[in-house]
Amino acid sequence: KAGVTQTPRYLIKTRGQQVTLSCSPISGHRSVSWYQQTPGQGLQFLFEYFSETQRNKGNFPGRFSGRQFSNSRSEMNVSTLELGDSALYLCASSFSTSGRTYNEQFFGPGTRLTVL
Amino acid sequence: AQRVTQPEKLLSVFKGAPVELKCNYSYSGSPELFWYVQYSRQRLQLLLRHISRESIKGFTADLNKGETSFHLKKPFAQEEDSAMYYCALSVRTAGGTSYGKLTFGQGTILTVHP
Repeated sequence: KAGVTQTPRYLIKTRGQQVTLSCSPISGHRSVSWYQQTPGQGLQFLFEYFSETQRNKGNFPGRFSGRQFSNSRSEMNVSTLELGDSALYLCASSFSTSGRTYNEQFFGPGTRLTVL
Repeated sequence: AQRVTQPEKLLSVFKGAPVELKCNYSYSGSPELFWYVQYSRQRLQLLLRHISRESIKGFTADLNKGETSFHLKKPFAQEEDSAMYYCALSVRTAGGTSYGKLTFGQGTILTVHP
């Protein structure tokens, strides 16, 4: 099975711009979670999507948004970029059903975003 | 709110020595605890979870609810164990499922010297 893929792998943007990151989950996985990883804050949960619906959300400002398509692929968007948004953005997919407590999350390689 | 603390940022041991990576958590309910590992130039991957009660690559971890700890142990460290280790916690939401959220500790870089 192919693993989780994320595109692009690297991005350089300037303050005020917006960016869209893409995540393709493992085939058959319907849940996609997004995390931000920085040296100072570590790994922080952004949001999770299941069947095109956001089920859970972390404590990030509204500039961070996401969506999921019918094929389970997910995108996250950051508008009005700030210097502090520079981070590694990881997505993870899992075979989650609405009634299960937890399924193993499989992580992608991440997208390295640099904001200048 | 839940929190995971890994007090050691760096841990160095020699090959063959025992190793223990500490993890403490704060959460008032019943969490699920995990250890994730990231080897050099590889993706973050699940090492083990407390409900499985299994040993993976010689590592074990026991959930101690009284001490709110989930320390990772291995009796004889190997050089290939050198990696970044993250302790993580999953909780139930009001709806009864965890909905894909993991709360991570800051991670411990383990270096096993030959």
